[in-house]
Amino acid sequence: EVQLVESGGGLVKPGGSLRFSCAASGFTFSNAWMSWVRQAPGKGLEWVGRIKSKTDGGTTDYAAPVKGRFIISRDDSKNTLYLQMNSLKTEDTAVYYCTTAVSATGGAFDIWGQGTMVAVSS
Amino acid sequence: QSVLTQPPSASGTPGQRVTISCSGSSSNLGSNTVNWYQQLPGTAPKLLIYNNNQRPSGVPDRFSGSKSGTSASLAISGLQSENEADYYCAAWDDSLNGYVFGTGTKVTVL
Repeated sequence: EVQLVESGGGLVKPGGSLRFSCAASGFTFSNAWMSWVRQAPGKGLEWVGRIKSKTDGGTTDYAAPVKGRFIISRDDSKNTLYLQMNSLKTEDTAVYYCTTAVSATGGAFDIWGQGTMVAVSS
Repeated sequence: QSVLTQPPSASGTPGQRVTISCSGSSSNLGSNTVNWYQQLPGTAPKLLIYNNNQRPSGVPDRFSGSKSGTSASLAISGLQSENEADYYCAAWDDSLNGYVFGTGTKVTVL
């Protein structure tokens, strides 16, 4: 079964850091371009950033609100995606989803994790 | 804030047809394909339409998408109670070098 499972969310103080992961199974993770999408409470979806496959350079792109504070990385040997969040702000409070395109969808995200909640509060 | 604009809400009675619009610009819808996602309450988003008008396996043909210039639309025909959800358009934006989602539309079945 194709699956993405996030883990590691939680409560953190403003200015703090948090790292969580997304475990992939059921598809060739090393070939996948992986993204993070977040959703603040009661708000819409917001793309956070992505990491390309190593075959395609392994480079990362980030949305403006998180650029310079968040780092996306991957460990293909463990089929795991990571999101390192630094200098956290209250507005980073959200459910964070990892997502990817597994089928031939032109890059549209057809596989999503269940989401992990991050709360930034003093 | 989002660069793709959708109406905040849409509604219809069972069996009716509902259409949701998505307005963008030359850097997103004008130069890239649009995708649509459905998010049921308390769940992760689900891909509904990709490449403007393609349905993933398992998505009923009651859902259809179209795009013209810098605008796109999603139509739900034969509206059913289980279609009550939030719907988001999305596309790559060449100027922002990022993926952008629409503001979202809440569909209510009356």
